[in-house]
Amino acid sequence: GAGVSQSPSNKVTEKGKDVELRCDPISGHTALYWYRQSLGQGLEFLIYFQGNSAPDKSGLPSDRFSAERTGGSVSTLTIQRTQQEDSAVYLCASRDAGKISPLHFGNGTRLTVT
Amino acid sequence: DQQVKQNSPSLSVQEGRISILNCDYTNSMFDYFLWYKKYPAEGPTFLISISSIKDKNEDGRFTVFLNKSAKHLSLHIVPSQPGDSAVYFCAASGSSNTGKLIFGQGTTLQVKP
Repeated sequence: GAGVSQSPSNKVTEKGKDVELRCDPISGHTALYWYRQSLGQGLEFLIYFQGNSAPDKSGLPSDRFSAERTGGSVSTLTIQRTQQEDSAVYLCASRDAGKISPLHFGNGTRLTVT
Repeated sequence: DQQVKQNSPSLSVQEGRISILNCDYTNSMFDYFLWYKKYPAEGPTFLISISSIKDKNEDGRFTVFLNKSAKHLSLHIVPSQPGDSAVYFCAASGSSNTGKLIFGQGTTLQVKP
């Protein structure tokens, strides 16, 4: 079946603008995650959705970052008033939370803030 | 505070030889460990995992070893192939069922033909 799909694959925006990044998880996966990878860094956890539970937002770096997951499927990560330090690859992952299983990642959105 | 550390940013090995990638962690509550491989412009792909109740897990050319007392895990690739050239991330979780993974910084492996 189809894997995790992210759009756009690349986004260039001016400092101060808002951006929205989209993630379509694998069908049936109840858990969805956002990570980001800055240049030369590892993967940094941002936020985690599990079913109807309140999301774990502990990794969001500032209140300019928010995410929602509509209907338990598609998720949107929004960054308001983008800054240059927000430039990174934003990765979405999903998993079947009903069993022990690894995360399946999309190919990411490369965000460049100029 | 880096809870998962990969101290070698890069590794180069000859085709056919063994590749050993290392990872250290600080949180004794971690009980599930994974290795991911990442090619440029692609998302990480899952390679192999190990639960803390084991000290070794093998899948084909890939073997992961876990030393809980040393808080250390390693990934062995034997024999190494040029297609194995990628960035390898280790990751750890405090509960094998939440999937909130903490990742290391990654090690770039180059396998020379």
